[in-house]
Amino acid sequence: QKEVEQNSGPLSVPEGAIASLNCTYSDRGSQSFFWYRQYSGKSPELIMFIYSNGDKEDGRFTAQLNKASQYVSLLIRDSQPSDSATYLCAVNDSWGKLQFGAGTQVVVTP
Amino acid sequence: GAGVSQSPSNKVTEKGKDVELRCDPISGHTALYWYRQSLGQGLEFLIYFQGNSAPDKSGLPSDRFSAERTGGSVSTLTIQRTQQEDSAVYLCASSLGRDRGFEYEQYFGPGTRLTVT
Repeated sequence: QKEVEQNSGPLSVPEGAIASLNCTYSDRGSQSFFWYRQYSGKSPELIMFIYSNGDKEDGRFTAQLNKASQYVSLLIRDSQPSDSATYLCAVNDSWGKLQFGAGTQVVVTP
Repeated sequence: GAGVSQSPSNKVTEKGKDVELRCDPISGHTALYWYRQSLGQGLEFLIYFQGNSAPDKSGLPSDRFSAERTGGSVSTLTIQRTQQEDSAVYLCASSLGRDRGFEYEQYFGPGTRLTVT
């Protein structure tokens, strides 16, 4: 079982709609959770981090964490074509190492 | 402020040659990480430096790979006797490290694209 699991996609989202990305993790000791955006041919760019259960909002992005169910999600409101990218979920394990999911490709269609 | 910088941005080398990749972290960041990303693949952890502690080398794929971090700042990743399977983008990231089990966010450099012919 992979430590961090994401649907590979592609997730097709109409412009203006909400994109919902999910990520599950296996290590109950994980305390730090991150979402990165990666455009094709570019390096990952941090967009959100969350440490506590609940929601954290930053502009059009909302991260949701549920430690009991071991999942973290990312919502992108009012999706724009510029949001088309691969979104990487990253979770620290009990030894502190950051484990990355394989990424979910999001395609926003005009 | 300045982000993480890496050089060179692209490197083409012949099989069997040695290469050195450089990373300059964000000023004040005590932790530095190297990752590898092959085409269409996820991020593969290679090595982690935290301050003056011994590095975590658990992700290095073979003894042809080594890395050092001088003066707690700049890091060099060296690949000896390169093989075609070493072709990938090598990414460096830096952060404030860890605190009581929490991991601070990592910021990535632009990467070095290595092609072994």
